[in-house]
Amino acid sequence: EVQLVESGGGLVQPGGSLRLSCAASGFIVTYNYVTWVRQAPGKGLEWVSVIYTDGRTYYADSVKGRFTISRDNSKNTVYLQMNNLRAEETAVYYCARARGDGYNHKFFDYWGQGTLVTVSS
Amino acid sequence: DIQMTQSPSTLSASVGDRVTITCRASETINSWLAWYQQKPGRAPKLLIFEASRLETGVPSRLSGSGSGTEFTLTISSLQPDDFATYYCQQYKSYSWTFGQGTKVDIK
Repeated sequence: EVQLVESGGGLVQPGGSLRLSCAASGFIVTYNYVTWVRQAPGKGLEWVSVIYTDGRTYYADSVKGRFTISRDNSKNTVYLQMNNLRAEETAVYYCARARGDGYNHKFFDYWGQGTLVTVSS
Repeated sequence: DIQMTQSPSTLSASVGDRVTITCRASETINSWLAWYQQKPGRAPKLLIFEASRLETGVPSRLSGSGSGTEFTLTISSLQPDDFATYYCQQYKSYSWTFGQGTKVDIK
């Protein structure tokens, strides 16, 4: 059974850092695309970052240069390092497995339960 | 980035109603479109991919159609479990984007 479990959320001050973890089971992260999607309170879904099977990483413009996605194959876990956080980045952060044909044609078939990141002084 | 616009933002309906949600893309995305359902406090759930292909386990009263820039999600006979928020997502290219959501609530 495919499962993703996020952790690492919490309260952080503006300008601070946080590292989120996404522990996967039922599939191997090395052989799948894994992505992060966030949702601000009462708002819609916003794609944040993805790590491809070949290790390439991509980011939304709003987080480029501040967020870093990575994976630890031995732990079957994907991480999102978030630096210089802003108040408007308060959100539930979900990790999800991406599936689909073609290098970029991916939708998200399994999601974790999410972890709340609150950026506030 | 490709912009996705859903309409309506809110839809009030009764059990048994046929409901349709529209999603428009700012440029052609062929059939690279997915639909998700989200309930309060829960993660989104994949319903449809490639505009019209039902994910395994999704009831057949849900259907998707469209290609290019205009797409629809239809629920043929609304059931109590269908009251939720629905999002479309384009996956023509990374920098994937979602619509703003359509909340289906009880009339």
